[in-house]
Amino acid sequence: DTGVSQNPRHKITKRGQNVTFRCDPISEHNRLYWYRQTLGQGPEFLTYFQNEAQLEKSRLLSDRFSAERPKGSFSTLEIQRTEQGDSAMYLCASSLDPTKLIADTQYFGPGTRLTVL
Amino acid sequence: AQSVTQLGSHVSVSEGALVLLRCNYSSSVPPYLFWYVQYPNQGLQLLLKYTTGATLVKGINGFEAEFKKSETSFHLTKPSAHMSDAAEYFCAVGGYTGNQFYFGTGTSLTVIP
Repeated sequence: DTGVSQNPRHKITKRGQNVTFRCDPISEHNRLYWYRQTLGQGPEFLTYFQNEAQLEKSRLLSDRFSAERPKGSFSTLEIQRTEQGDSAMYLCASSLDPTKLIADTQYFGPGTRLTVL
Repeated sequence: AQSVTQLGSHVSVSEGALVLLRCNYSSSVPPYLFWYVQYPNQGLQLLLKYTTGATLVKGINGFEAEFKKSETSFHLTKPSAHMSDAAEYFCAVGGYTGNQFYFGTGTSLTVIP
């Protein structure tokens, strides 16, 4: 168990450019989550996958944001036409066994810090 | 909507003193509650969680929290602060459809030597 990994750890881009972040969850975990964390705030839920199915995406911040998990393993989060307000830490988390009736523990990656100039 | 309130965005304690970080939640159904710690430039690490059963939950690094349904609270405590406890602490509530977590705004803990 190597934990949740995210790449890159830091990304600096110019306004209007597209960026893509990758998340590799803990290998046996079925669920994968994306959060955004701005300075001085707690993580804000964006979307989640159960295996390859994206079960909730209404919380994505705009249609410029999209996420995929094509084979039910790693996931990517893309932001198109970045804006300065997109600058934040983007966190990925994964959890095991969606069939349980109680909340699973979400294990977080180190995050990708995005700076939009 | 679910919400989590963490009273006190900054808390300072002396090394060896009691740590008390407050968390209150609003929920229409019994929640599941978590405390996470975040060190600078790192992801969130689970300290402890409450799902069912005993309301006093023990976690890592000597932390514990007590679920009080009547007060809708889940305060985090540690009897004796250590310098290494300096970090950002987040309370979260989960267990809803989709297992979404809702986080508080965090409490930054400073430990004074």
